[in-house]
Amino acid sequence: AQSVTQPDIHITVSEGASLELRCNYSYGATPYLFWYVQSPGQGLQLLLKYFSGDTLVQGIKGFEAEFKRSQSSFNLRKPSVHWSDAAEYFCAVGGVVNSGGYQKVTFGTGTKLQVIP
Amino acid sequence: EAQVTQNPRYLITVTGKKLTVTCSQNMNHEYMSWYRQDPGLGLRQIYYSMNVEVTDKGDVPEGYKVSRKEKRNFPLILESPSPNQTSLYFCASSWDRVSYTFGSGTRLTVV
Repeated sequence: AQSVTQPDIHITVSEGASLELRCNYSYGATPYLFWYVQSPGQGLQLLLKYFSGDTLVQGIKGFEAEFKRSQSSFNLRKPSVHWSDAAEYFCAVGGVVNSGGYQKVTFGTGTKLQVIP
Repeated sequence: EAQVTQNPRYLITVTGKKLTVTCSQNMNHEYMSWYRQDPGLGLRQIYYSMNVEVTDKGDVPEGYKVSRKEKRNFPLILESPSPNQTSLYFCASSWDRVSYTFGSGTRLTVV
């Protein structure tokens, strides 16, 4: 079975500081990996995704993530956080395909980011 | 604009009163899915659909029904809502089976 762990429930950073959100996954083969962002009162928006190839993935809003197979991790980074980045961030893994061809996507429990001036 | 539209955004209902949450997408996506979001539990899949007339259970299907009669619509039906179905619900669609576009959510309260 596939699973995702986001060990940090809540993170606070100062505006302008760098950010790293942690994500660890469990899956037997090379997974599809995603980061989504949820602003208050909104749905989830896809930030970036990893399917294959270059392990450093660039996304929208200046975010990037690095796939590290040896550590089963897909951490999200941003060099300089803006106040508008305050939101909840979800890591997700897509992997298992059932007999009907459906590919299951499993979400982590999320990390809430607070940005202080 | 490409989007997934859910209605209503907010709903308060009483136990046992049937309700439907509508979901519509304008991207011609084959794959659609319903999730519920609860604090500390993240998103859990209720049902998904791979195409018209093709639906299947996700991780938490009990108490819910879905239908997919048209490609663009994927309504979620609660035949007899109970308080433990109080949650934030999201509909999502995908063209590649894994990258989803989400609706803005429906906050349901069952009293």
